[in-house]
Amino acid sequence: QVQLVESGGGVVQPGRSLRLSCAASGFRFSSYAMHWVRQAPGKGLEWVAVISYDGSNQYYADSVKGRFTISRDKSKSTLYLQMDTLRAEDTAVYYCARDGSGWPPSGFEYWGQGTLVTVSS
Amino acid sequence: QSVLTQPPSASGTPGQRVTISCSGSSSNIGNNYVYWYQQLPGTAPKLLIYRNNQRPSGVPDRFSGSESGTSASLAISGLRSEDEADYYCAAWDDSLSGWVFGGGTKLTVL
Repeated sequence: QVQLVESGGGVVQPGRSLRLSCAASGFRFSSYAMHWVRQAPGKGLEWVAVISYDGSNQYYADSVKGRFTISRDKSKSTLYLQMDTLRAEDTAVYYCARDGSGWPPSGFEYWGQGTLVTVSS
Repeated sequence: QSVLTQPPSASGTPGQRVTISCSGSSSNIGNNYVYWYQQLPGTAPKLLIYRNNQRPSGVPDRFSGSESGTSASLAISGLRSEDEADYYCAAWDDSLSGWVFGGGTKLTVL
């Protein structure tokens, strides 16, 4: 069965960096686009970024463009989110999600359990 | 302010039918598929409806989706207590080149 396990969350000071990981199993990782979606405490869902099945295409939400970088490692079946210049408003649970296809993206078919990122001094 | 507009709350009694609306524009719902997600308290979201009206295996046929123009709806029939959750619509937005969500609708089963 499809499993997505996020890690790397924690407390970080404003302006610092953090890298999230998402270990995927139960499917052919190299065949599907992957997403990061976040949810601030008590708030709704916000899409963050998507990467195509082969890593050749990436799109970002305006709120993170230029600060966050999505990437993937086929050999490790792992998705990453490098988060730089973090702000208080980046505080959220970050979910990794598998798309329904390779490209173009077709929604969030499977979700991980999420990892909490808290940006605070 | 979310790009897709949903009512913040909805409610119904067991056995009733409720609908949740999702309003967008020509750059998202009007030109792309709509997806619906259910988020039970304290858990990750789960795909409920894909490509406007398709149900993944395992999702009861009590849940159905529809789309017309720049709006979409999720209908839940035979309401059950375990349906109490937050529901979100989502679609790709051509103008933003990204995915957009509705603000979410909290469904209460009275």
